[in-house]
Amino acid sequence: GENVEQHPSTLSVQEGDSAVIKCTYSDSASNYFPWYKQELGKRPQLIIDIRSNVGEKKDQRIAVTLNKTAKHFSLHITETQPEDSAVYFCAAPRPNSGYSTLTFGKGTMLLVSP
Amino acid sequence: NAGVTQTPKFRVLKTGQSMTLLCAQDMNHEYMYWYRQDPGMGLRLIHYSVGEGTTAKGEVPDGYNVSRLKKQNFLLGLESAAPSQTSVYFCASSFHEQGTEAFFGQGTRLTVV
Repeated sequence: GENVEQHPSTLSVQEGDSAVIKCTYSDSASNYFPWYKQELGKRPQLIIDIRSNVGEKKDQRIAVTLNKTAKHFSLHITETQPEDSAVYFCAAPRPNSGYSTLTFGKGTMLLVSP
Repeated sequence: NAGVTQTPKFRVLKTGQSMTLLCAQDMNHEYMYWYRQDPGMGLRLIHYSVGEGTTAKGEVPDGYNVSRLKKQNFLLGLESAAPSQTSVYFCASSFHEQGTEAFFGQGTRLTVV
């Protein structure tokens, strides 16, 4: 099955700094890589995703990059704000479900200090 | 639209008791999923369904059963609860096209004592 490794497990930054979270995956046939944000006590929600036919995607202060050769993708948050504090999960499709389900990384707790 | 709704939100069970968690979605999604979330473990897939009347095992299916009798509902059952099943359970749903957004319910916090 797909193996998704996520680093770091915790990340503390000052407001206004940038934050980068990295994930690696094992199945070279995977072609969809979403990122979910989960605020404390809330449900996970999709914030951005990328497909294998592009190398980078941006949405305001967040961006995701994909390196298919190296099998890793990263989430970049610029000009961080306290409301960015949350747990972030990367994911990749599970090949042993016909790619109809996702395997999630173990999460990164991001803390943005004012 | 209510999206994905889970009931109950909280539950405390004694070891050996049984219970059913209900997930309902009103987005006409074909796919539905049950995940459990434990500290430091991320979201792990328990069971999933790609359509009414079909179910399949995920990463951690032992001790759980599921049913999808109606397209909009996905039930997760614990026949004999164990303390190891103390967790937060999330239901999710999505359209069938590969690479579409999964919408999550608000979660059920289950404690087995």
